Amino acid sequence: DIQMTQSPSTLSASVGDRVTITCRASQTISTSLAWYQQKPGKAPKLLIYKASTLERGVPSRFSGSGSGTEFTLTIRSLQPDDFATYYCQQYNSYWTFGQGTKVEIK
Amino acid sequence: QVQLVQSGAEVKKPGASVKVSCKASGDTFTSFYMHWVRQAPGQGLEWMGIINPSGDRTSYAQNFQGRVTMTRDTSTSTLYMELNSLKSEDTAVYYCAVAARPNWFFDLWGRGTLVTVSS
Repeated sequence: DIQMTQSPSTLSASVGDRVTITCRASQTISTSLAWYQQKPGKAPKLLIYKASTLERGVPSRFSGSGSGTEFTLTIRSLQPDDFATYYCQQYNSYWTFGQGTKVEIK
Repeated sequence: QVQLVQSGAEVKKPGASVKVSCKASGDTFTSFYMHWVRQAPGQGLEWMGIINPSGDRTSYAQNFQGRVTMTRDTSTSTLYMELNSLKSEDTAVYYCAVAARPNWFFDLWGRGTLVTVSS
């Protein structure tokens, strides 16, 4: 099974900050990686797929990069609506999620 | 655009079974691969399994093999997930999700169904 490890688990930031979340796969997954945003009591929402392709309607301040085993999600200028938990997911071999990164207000 | 409407919250006793439904509307139900994912309180996301568009092939995560059954009724555009031999650790929100292709990310998620297992 492919394991996904996100860091950090929690991130404290202020509005306007640049935020970076890292996701590492236990074996190479090419660019078969997606990022989701989840707010309390809500279902996850797709942000990015194929490691760097922005889902339609997602603000351009979100970006993704990486391939192989190392991936990052960057929020260029954090907005109040962005405080949430973010999950990476590999879909190269079955499906596995990272443990999540909670972005909280500093 | 597909919309997914899940069944309501359930409370079950240990050892019982639960069957959660997910009704799709909008786009062609038979075109999509469907997944189930669960999330225990305060925890992360756990993939449970996938069913193909025609409903004749499934693949389950090892943690659930032998305890879960996924089916779909194309006549009513409804997906079902039945989990047997429930334990308190199965208390979670269960989500259905759509994928356009077999080895693909999840384009859209249902709102979730809370299943509580308690004696």
